[in-house]
Amino acid sequence: QTVVTQEPSFSVSPGGTVTLTCGLSSGSVSTSYYPSWYQQTPGQAPRTLIYSTNTRSSGVPDRFSGSILGNKAALTITGAQADDESDYYCVLYMGSGRWVFGGGTKLTVL
Amino acid sequence: QVQLVQSGAEVKKPGASVKVSCKASGYTFTSYGISWVRQAPGQGLEWMGWISAYNGNTNYAQKLQGRVTMTTDTSTSTAYMELRSLRSDDTAVYYCARTSKQYYDYWGQGTLVTVSS
Repeated sequence: QTVVTQEPSFSVSPGGTVTLTCGLSSGSVSTSYYPSWYQQTPGQAPRTLIYSTNTRSSGVPDRFSGSILGNKAALTITGAQADDESDYYCVLYMGSGRWVFGGGTKLTVL
Repeated sequence: QVQLVQSGAEVKKPGASVKVSCKASGYTFTSYGISWVRQAPGQGLEWMGWISAYNGNTNYAQKLQGRVTMTTDTSTSTAYMELRSLRSDDTAVYYCARTSKQYYDYWGQGTLVTVSS
């Protein structure tokens, strides 16, 4: 069974930079998995941030960026703001109409 | 503008079935797939499955095989997710999401399904 790993929690200071990662229990994440990232605040539906590794969804500020770092996908927030405090989910496409979600990272801005 | 509007909250008894709808507007329905994702209270997001609105092809998460059915009605641009033999651990918010190739670009507002005796 494929397991997608994310840091359970992370904290960043206002104005700081943070990089969240998305890995595989076995193997490396590459662009072939089309990693995408979603932001969710309590009680709200997820919001699409990044797709196909590094393409920002419409309306997403350019302080959010996606990449591959080593053997993981990464979401970097540059100049963190208070309203970036959310849960962030990575999703990998496994092919043939199948996806796997990571467990999510709870980001605190303080 | 693209919108996905889901049906309202449901309360079901264990062993019952639930059918959640997701009505799409603002785009050509058959040009995209629809995925279903759920979130148990205090937990993360879980992929349930995907359906092609073009030809009805489906893929379901292995743990739900045999209990879940996803369908579409192209005449009304509506997707449906039916989950049978409900258990208490099926209590969750269920989301539909428009699926553009390998990712989700628009989400429904979510439907709370509560399973309780």
